[in-house]
Amino acid sequence: AQTVTQSQPEMSVQEAETVTLSCTYDTSESNYYLFWYKQPPSRQMILVIRQEAYKQQNATENRFSVNFQKAAKSFSLKISDSQLGDTAMYFCAFMKFGANSKLTFGKGITLSVRP
Amino acid sequence: NAGVMQNPRHLVRRRGQEARLRCSPMKGHSHVYWYRQLPEEGLKFMVYLQKENIIDESGMPKERFSAEFPKEGPSILRIQQVVRGDSAAYFCASSPAGGAGGDVTQYFGPGTRLTVL
Repeated sequence: AQTVTQSQPEMSVQEAETVTLSCTYDTSESNYYLFWYKQPPSRQMILVIRQEAYKQQNATENRFSVNFQKAAKSFSLKISDSQLGDTAMYFCAFMKFGANSKLTFGKGITLSVRP
Repeated sequence: NAGVMQNPRHLVRRRGQEARLRCSPMKGHSHVYWYRQLPEEGLKFMVYLQKENIIDESGMPKERFSAEFPKEGPSILRIQQVVRGDSAAYFCASSPAGGAGGDVTQYFGPGTRLTVL
């Protein structure tokens, strides 16, 4: 079974600064996907970024980028130029490649962006 | 393209009643997933369905819970004889492909907040 660990329950960052959210996972699979989802106060789950394990290049989406370290089983999210609208809970999630495509989520981290 | 639709957004039930939660996937998506989120927790997988088939129900309690995704109409998560511990947010997600290639990204609905009195 896969597990996803987000050890930081809360973080705070000043507007316009950069913040990194940590995530580690445990799996015996060699091929899989990793995701970061954002859950703002509206409770809607919004996809932030996705990474395929077979790709060595780190995924980037505008101000969001990841540092994917496959050997270390680490998948951190970097948010550059933080904005007030980035205030939310952030969940790291794992999906193994294959017919059973359920997501396994971490417990999440609450990010607050200060004006 | 409308996103994943869930209704109702809020549902209040008394202990012992039945709760029915509905999910309409995004157009063109044939894979539906249900997750449950307890307060201050991450989402926990419940069940994965394709049209008329349950693919994986390993996360669903054996009793009182059932799910379906008929050929026509939305997917339904049904909870019979609800208890206070069923109070949670229930999220539905859909994807165009399963986990064996293609776009496997799951897109989530806004959730249904179930409160059991």
